[in-house]
Amino acid sequence: KTQVEQSPQSLVVRQGENCVLQCNYSVTPDNHLRWFKQDTGKGLVSLTVLVHENDKTSNGRYSATLDKDAKHSTLHITATLLDDTATYICVVGDRGSALGRLHFGAGTQLIVIP
Amino acid sequence: DTTVKQNPRYKLARVGKPVNLICSQTMNHDTMYWYQKKPNQAPKLLLFYYDKILNREADTFEKFQSSRPNNSFCSLYIGSAGLEYSAMYLCASSSWGGSYEQYFGPGTRLTVL
Repeated sequence: KTQVEQSPQSLVVRQGENCVLQCNYSVTPDNHLRWFKQDTGKGLVSLTVLVHENDKTSNGRYSATLDKDAKHSTLHITATLLDDTATYICVVGDRGSALGRLHFGAGTQLIVIP
Repeated sequence: DTTVKQNPRYKLARVGKPVNLICSQTMNHDTMYWYQKKPNQAPKLLLFYYDKILNREADTFEKFQSSRPNNSFCSLYIGSAGLEYSAMYLCASSSWGGSYEQYFGPGTRLTVL
């Protein structure tokens, strides 16, 4: 059973527009949630990690929120660039240690067009 | 250097032949992981090494082997490749008791013909 659901599955935006990616999960316990960016043919790069109830983080043009009550997270990308074209993966960790299990979403494929 | 390296980046294999993938890191991380990722699917944990202790997932127990000759290196071994093994294989490492961070390598794309 999929415990991390991401939406939309794919998204096309014009350069300069903003976009919002959604992540809903049922993982318990939900120790932390991380958003990764994966460029085609490359590894996962961490964008941000959210830990606490109602956490909000900001990393340049990326900002994210976490609602642990609703088990929901959003990733906002403002003023998109062509280089933002990638797959964005939501990952929920069930423990705060290296032996905790990571639960991966299938990703949202973002395509930014000129 | 916080990079995780994987070799090779691309691998072609014949059905029934063995495959050996290599991962290395120089961050002195005690835990190293191998994931299998197929298109439009979430990465699936195959196994991980905590120090010298190998932990394999129950549903892939017999399909994959691994070795960790020292702290920096970890291999993923497929004894007899089948078509279903075609996928991206991601290696990651982390430190016990440290942050939540798992550092991922670029992946090895395995195609079995």
